[in-house]
Amino acid sequence: AQKITQTQPGMFVQEKEAVTLDCTYDTSDQSYGLFWYKQPSSGEMIFLIYQGSYDEQNATEGRYSLNFQKARKSANLVISASQLGDSAMYFCAMREINTGNQFYFGTGTSLTVIP
Amino acid sequence: NAGVTQTPKFRILKIGQSMTLQCTQDMNHNYMYWYRQDPGMGLKLIYYSVGAGITDKGEVPNGYNVSRSTTEDFPLRLELAAPSQTSVYFCASSGNRGGNTIYFGEGSWLTVV
Repeated sequence: AQKITQTQPGMFVQEKEAVTLDCTYDTSDQSYGLFWYKQPSSGEMIFLIYQGSYDEQNATEGRYSLNFQKARKSANLVISASQLGDSAMYFCAMREINTGNQFYFGTGTSLTVIP
Repeated sequence: NAGVTQTPKFRILKIGQSMTLQCTQDMNHNYMYWYRQDPGMGLKLIYYSVGAGITDKGEVPNGYNVSRSTTEDFPLRLELAAPSQTSVYFCASSGNRGGNTIYFGEGSWLTVV
């Protein structure tokens, strides 16, 4: 089974609007971390936001927030007030703390912001 | 602040040749990783290491080898290059704590012809 599933290969959003990128995960580990990364066309991987499995509040970093629903095993990324520079690939990732500390990545969502 | 440095950035190999992708990090991280990213796809783990002298296979280890003689360095060796190994390779490192993010190098674009 896939550890991380991103079901939206491509998304479009109007500039200044909000967009939600979906991510579900699968783990039996009680301790894990969830991360989102942005990969612009230049190729580098940029860390955006982190949520720990024991964190009760949703993580926020500027215009990014992580909608964490533990029972549903989902960790959706919400980008508010989209900007043209947000056009990129977005990857969801999970780190299982008690089973190897590896990072597992989803297949990514390509976001295009329309002016 | 160098972070994770990998070389070379671009390389063209002929089928059957071998090469080593170099990776070094200056953050004193125990965990280091090699991923490959095929066009339009996600990241697949090739090998990882939890500390000097310890390495483990990831999802797609065939055709590759690694070593970890020091905390800083984690080279990836491609033996007998094949066209299927054409990809972008990312070296990465992270700290021990669960909340520590993973830091990536800039990527190495490898083409096997």
